[in-house]
Amino acid sequence: DAMVIQNPRYQVTQFGKPVTLSCSQTLNHNVMYWYQQKSSQAPKLLFHYYDKDFNNEADTPDNFQSRRPNTSFCFLDIRSPGLGDAAMYLCATSRERGSTDTQYFGPGTRLTVL
Amino acid sequence: GQNIDQPTEMTATEGAIVQINCTYQTSGFNGLFWYQQHAGEAPTFLSYNVLDGLEEKGRFSSFLSRSKGYSYLLLKELQMKDSASYLCAVLDSNYQLIWGAGTKLIIKP
Repeated sequence: DAMVIQNPRYQVTQFGKPVTLSCSQTLNHNVMYWYQQKSSQAPKLLFHYYDKDFNNEADTPDNFQSRRPNTSFCFLDIRSPGLGDAAMYLCATSRERGSTDTQYFGPGTRLTVL
Repeated sequence: GQNIDQPTEMTATEGAIVQINCTYQTSGFNGLFWYQQHAGEAPTFLSYNVLDGLEEKGRFSSFLSRSKGYSYLLLKELQMKDSASYLCAVLDSNYQLIWGAGTKLIIKP
């Protein structure tokens, strides 16, 4: 089945130790998004890729970076995780940007920072 | 600023009907989405409304009034598996999704 896959589902890291979360999709969608969601809060958009065009949200900390080496894969790099970065990280895709296309979400990676 | 308001938590009984409201103030409007999110899982798409009125999809219906900046999600014949958070999200004039914090729905037997 076509889908959005995230690995790992659960990630534990130490304060300040870099961590990479991965997302892949078989939907062949042009747009890939990374969201951060903390408990009982709305998902917060960190950035998105339209094809290879990277779009950072104004309030996304520099600590968060992303790479999209090809259409199918997108990575979220947290350079120096702090305790406040513990959250669920959601990857989503949509066919086009600037449209009413539905966003489809992966299962998420829950990040714990010790 | 842009704002989406929905109740934090609601409780309903199995087999009953529940209505979850959402009000929004956004810069422009290109449609409203409802997503369901079970605890610890990703949001899954339920409905999309861009025109006024009611859209019915099985046990779930979604209503929109653009003039009032208001939507609701109606869940009928509630089942225990409907216990989840329900997120309202509006597509603004830049086609950015503005999310509400979600309504946690608790179903009791």
